[in-house]
Amino acid sequence: EIVLTQSPGTLSLSPGERATLSCRASQSVGSNFLAWYQQKPGQAPRLLVFGASSRATGIPDRFSGSGSGTDLTLTITKLEPEDFAVYYCQQYGSSLDFTFGPGTKVEIK
Amino acid sequence: QVQLVQSGSEVKKPGSSVKVSCKASGGIFNTYSFNWVRQAPGQGLEWMGGIIALFARANYPQKFQGRVTMTTDESTTTAYMELSSLRSEDSGVYFCAINKWLQPFDSWGQGTLISVSS
Repeated sequence: EIVLTQSPGTLSLSPGERATLSCRASQSVGSNFLAWYQQKPGQAPRLLVFGASSRATGIPDRFSGSGSGTDLTLTITKLEPEDFAVYYCQQYGSSLDFTFGPGTKVEIK
Repeated sequence: QVQLVQSGSEVKKPGSSVKVSCKASGGIFNTYSFNWVRQAPGQGLEWMGGIIALFARANYPQKFQGRVTMTTDESTTTAYMELSSLRSEDSGVYFCAINKWLQPFDSWGQGTLISVSS
């Protein structure tokens, strides 16, 4: 089973600042089958990035994913008020075998 | 984009079972896998298992094996998740989410709140 860890647990930033979120896998995820989701309170998660670096449909270009293998990064270049949320990474490299990281909360400083 | 609409909130007694539905519209039902993800209050996302609609083949992580059953009904384009032997720790929001083979979860239901209490 691939275990995902995320850091930091909480990121306190101001609007306009840059956010850098990390996700590490316990073993290499083939072909970068890694995704990022955003979840706001009371809502379902929303897909942001897949394949480690491809933005999902409709996602603003201030969100970017990078990394490969075991280390993944989500960068939000300039935080907008609506970006304060919890972010989860996910590996989807096997059919019907998925795991999520524990999440990083991006909160207003 | 596929729309997923889940059944409503439920309150259950410990030891009982719950069955949650997830109706899909706007896509080709048998091209998807239906996954169930739960979220305990204030906690993260936990994948409970999934079912490939075309083959009606399900896979569950060990934690849920023996307690969860996932099914699909192509005639009504609906997926179901049944969880038995409920305990208080099963309280939370249950989401259905779909994906295609080796793809992430690109559509999610609105979530169903399950409360387990005596």
